[in-house]
Amino acid sequence: QQQVKQSPQSLIVQKGGISIINCAYENTAFDYFPWYQQFPGKGPALLIAIRPDVSEKKEGRFTISFNKSAKQFSLHIMDSQPGDSATYFCAASRGGGADGLTFGKGTHLIIQP
Amino acid sequence: KAGVTQTPRYLIKTRGQQVTLSCSPISGHRSVSWYQQTPGQGLQFLFEYFSETQRNKGNFPGRFSGRQFSNSRSEMNVSTLELGDSALYLCASSFPEGRPNEQFFGPGTRLTVL
Repeated sequence: QQQVKQSPQSLIVQKGGISIINCAYENTAFDYFPWYQQFPGKGPALLIAIRPDVSEKKEGRFTISFNKSAKQFSLHIMDSQPGDSATYFCAASRGGGADGLTFGKGTHLIIQP
Repeated sequence: KAGVTQTPRYLIKTRGQQVTLSCSPISGHRSVSWYQQTPGQGLQFLFEYFSETQRNKGNFPGRFSGRQFSNSRSEMNVSTLELGDSALYLCASSFPEGRPNEQFFGPGTRLTVL
């Protein structure tokens, strides 16, 4: 049972455009939703995270939008740059992150110059 | 502050053997979690240790085990290796008293089972 569904599997965006990755979860006990960025040969790096008591969180060019009633959350990358080309994973956890993270399958993002 | 370190970075084993992977968390972090990453299954949670005790466990067979030492360093062991155990094994550390419990990953150990 896949508890966190991520889409799309791959995404190509022009430089300067907006990249949007979506995730949906099933377990209403989840209360911590981070996004990770992974480059080839590296471990995932924490990008931004949100708790369900807010609907949006912005850090620089990265924004998480959260819809609790729909059990969906998304990552928006504004002014996408070639250096943003990586694999992005959404995740969810209970207990404010105290439990193990349940990850989506990942989105391979390519930013074309 | 140094990040999470994992050793070795690459490992080749044959079926039936056992393997031990090591993880040193970020200084001050007392929680260590282990994940398996494969192309087919993605990132899956194995287990988490805090103060030398396993607090959480994912859905993996008993061949996968771990432990944590008093200095928070952790090891995971896989016994009777199978071809399907070939994966990138990632360790993440966190400061569990903080909320939210942000997990920081190491570079991983690439295990190949022949």
